[in-house]
Amino acid sequence: KQEVTQIPAALSVPEGENLVLNCSFTDSAIYNLQWFRQDPGKGLTSLLLIQSSQREQTSGRLNASLDKSSGRSTLYIAASQPGDSATYLCAVGPGAGNNRKLIWGLGTSLAVNP
Amino acid sequence: NAGVTQTPKFRILKIGQSMTLQCTQDMNHNYMYWYRQDPGMGLKLIYYSVGAGITDKGEVPNGYNVSRSTTEDFPLRLELAAPSQTSVYFCASSYVDEQYFGPGTRLTVT
Repeated sequence: KQEVTQIPAALSVPEGENLVLNCSFTDSAIYNLQWFRQDPGKGLTSLLLIQSSQREQTSGRLNASLDKSSGRSTLYIAASQPGDSATYLCAVGPGAGNNRKLIWGLGTSLAVNP
Repeated sequence: NAGVTQTPKFRILKIGQSMTLQCTQDMNHNYMYWYRQDPGMGLKLIYYSVGAGITDKGEVPNGYNVSRSTTEDFPLRLELAAPSQTSVYFCASSYVDEQYFGPGTRLTVT
C-alpha cells in the first residue's frame, strides 16, 4: 500500500533563506507527483506536477525534483518570503489505472519570518 | 473563469439531519472529486467522477452519496449526519492530472 510521508511537519525560517521540503513514498511505481500549497482556511493550489518520466519541474522560485528509485521528491524554495508561509502538501498518483486517485502526505507547515 | 466554487462555506448540522454540499466548475473538466480533510489525517477521497453520469467510490464513501448529471456540477449528499462527518470538505476538478480545488466547506455536526 502506497504511503506518503512529509518531513519535517513544521519549519520556521528567516526571510531570504533557501529551503528544501521533503516528500517520500513507499512504492516507486507512481504515475506522477504533485506539490500543492494550502493557506489557512483556504483550498489547495497546485504548484508543480511532475510526471513519472520527468526528473524535475520549475516554476519561478520553486523547483521540484523526483527520484522514483529512492522514493523521494523535494520542493526547493529559493529566497523565501513571508508570503511563502503556508502548508505544503505532496500527493502521489499511484498508477496508470488509478492515476487520478491521489495519495496524500500530511504536509509541511512553513513559516517564513520577516 | 471562477474555477471551482463550493457552497456553503460553513454549516452546522444536528445529528440525523441531511444536507447537500454544492460544487460547480466552469473549466469543462471531466474529472471531479470530493475530499474531506481532518486534522492530522490528511486528505481522504470520498467520491470521484470521470464524467457526467459516471461516479465511483473513493477511500471513505460511507455516509455520503453523489450524482453527476452535468459536466459542471458534482453535489455531495450527506444523509443522517453524524459527528464523525465533522470536517472540511473540498471539491476539485481536473482535465487530466493537475487538480484544481474549491475553497472548501467547513461542516460541524453536533
